[in-house]
Amino acid sequence: SFVMTQSPSVSVAPGKTARITCGGDNIGSKAVHWYQKKPGQAPVLVIYYDSDRPSGIPERFSGSNSGDTATLTISRVEAGDEADYYCQVWGSTSDHPLFGGGTKLTVL
Amino acid sequence: DVQLVQSAAEVKKPGESLKISCKGSGYTFTNHWIGWVRQMPGKGLEWMGIIYAGDSDTRYSPSFQGQITLSADKSISTAYLQWTTLKTSDTAMYYCARSSLNCGGDCYFDYWGQGTLVTVSS
Repeated sequence: SFVMTQSPSVSVAPGKTARITCGGDNIGSKAVHWYQKKPGQAPVLVIYYDSDRPSGIPERFSGSNSGDTATLTISRVEAGDEADYYCQVWGSTSDHPLFGGGTKLTVL
Repeated sequence: DVQLVQSAAEVKKPGESLKISCKGSGYTFTNHWIGWVRQMPGKGLEWMGIIYAGDSDTRYSPSFQGQITLSADKSISTAYLQWTTLKTSDTAMYYCARSSLNCGGDCYFDYWGQGTLVTVSS
C-alpha cells in the first residue's frame, strides 16, 4: 500500500510562510489533496488536484507536487490557520483513499 | 446547498451493535462516493471505506475490512456505517464525506458531515 510521510509538526510566526510536506514514492504522479482539521470541527478541503483551491479558501493557501514530495504552502500565516493538515491520495493498488499521518501547524 | 447530516452521538456497551447514518441533500446522491473517516481521541484521520451511492460498490480499508459494513439507501439519500460487535477501541469521532463528481482513482472529498461521536464503554 502507498505510504505518505508527513512531519508531525511545523511552527511558524504570524505573517511568515508555512510549508507542510507530504512525501511518498513518486507522489508527483498522483493527485494530492489537502485538508485542514481543527479541534471540534469537521475536516475542510483546502487544496485539490495538487494546487487547485476550492471556493472560499484564501489565496494564501497553495500547493505543489513533484517527484517524491507534495507541498502545502500557507503564506502570511494567521493565528486562525493553526490546525492539523492532512494530505490525501487515492491508493493505486488499494483502490481507496489514503491519508498521510498529519502535520500539526502551530502559529507562534 | 450541499449538506451531509449525520446521526446523533451514541453511547454503547462492548458487544453491542450500532448503525450510524449520513444523509445527503442538495445534490444528486447517486453520483458520488460517500467515504467514512475515523478519528480516535488524540489521533489522526483514518479512512475506513467508501461506498458509491449509485450502485453500492464498496471498498474497505484493510484495517477495517471485516470489522464494519457500509451501506446506502438511495431512496432516502442516506449512507450507513454499521458494527455488529462494538469494542471499547471503537470509541471515536466518525465523519462521512462526499467525493468529487465523476472521480475515479483521484477523488477528493469536498463536503463533510458534522461527525458522530461514538463512545463504547462498560
